[in-house]
Amino acid sequence: DAKTTQPPSMDCAEGRAANLPCNHSTISGNEYVYWYRQIHSQGPQYIIHGLKNNETNEMASLIITEDRKSSTLILPHATLRDTAVYYCIVRPALNTNAGKSTFGDGTTLTVKP
Amino acid sequence: DGGITQSPKYLFRKEGQNVTLSCEQNLNHDAMYWYRQDPGQGLRLIYYSQIVNDFQKGDIAEGYSVSREKKESFPLTVTSAQKNPTAFYLCASSIIPGSGDQPQHFGDGTRLSIL
Repeated sequence: DAKTTQPPSMDCAEGRAANLPCNHSTISGNEYVYWYRQIHSQGPQYIIHGLKNNETNEMASLIITEDRKSSTLILPHATLRDTAVYYCIVRPALNTNAGKSTFGDGTTLTVKP
Repeated sequence: DGGITQSPKYLFRKEGQNVTLSCEQNLNHDAMYWYRQDPGQGLRLIYYSQIVNDFQKGDIAEGYSVSREKKESFPLTVTSAQKNPTAFYLCASSIIPGSGDQPQHFGDGTRLSIL
C-alpha cells in the first residue's frame, strides 16, 4: 500500500483558508487519495476523495498534483469547529488487498481566533 | 437515520477476560472493518470482512477474533491473549468491498480499559 506523509501539526487563523499538504510519492495509478478528519474521541469523518482531477464539495477542495505524488486539502474559510486531526490515506484499487488502507498519524490542525 | 452504532462507549476488562465489542450498521454495506487507535496515533487495521461468513486479518490481528454471521453485524472479541488491549476501537463500513472509490463510514468508537 502507498504510504502517506503529513506534517504533524499546523495552525490557521479563523476565517482564513487552511491548506493541508500530503505526500504520497509511491501511489499507484489506480489508487484514490482520501481525506478524513477526527475530532477528539469521535470516529473519523469522511471529507473528500479523488483520483486524478481536483475535487470540490461543500466541505473542502482537494488539489492533486499532475504526477499524483502529493495533494493538498483546502478548507476555504476555517472555523474553530474545524480544529481536528486530518488524515490523508490511499485506498487500494478494487479487489486488491480489499479493505486495507493505512491511516498514518495525520496532521493536527488548530484553528485560532 | 442510517449509520454505524458501536456499543458500549466505554468498556472495562479484568486481566484474563475476553470482552466483545459490538458494531451494527443499517447502511446495507457489504464491507465492515475494525481498527485500533492508541493515544496520539493513527488507525491500525485489525480485521475486515467483505461478505457474510468471510473475514480477513489486518495488520494487527493477534489476540483478536471476529465473526460475520449477519450483514449488519461485525462483533470484535478482544481475547486474553491480547496483552495490551487498552485502546480506542473503531468500526467502519463501506458499500463495495475493496473499491477504492467508496468512502468508509465510521462509528463513534469504544474505549477499552484494563482494570
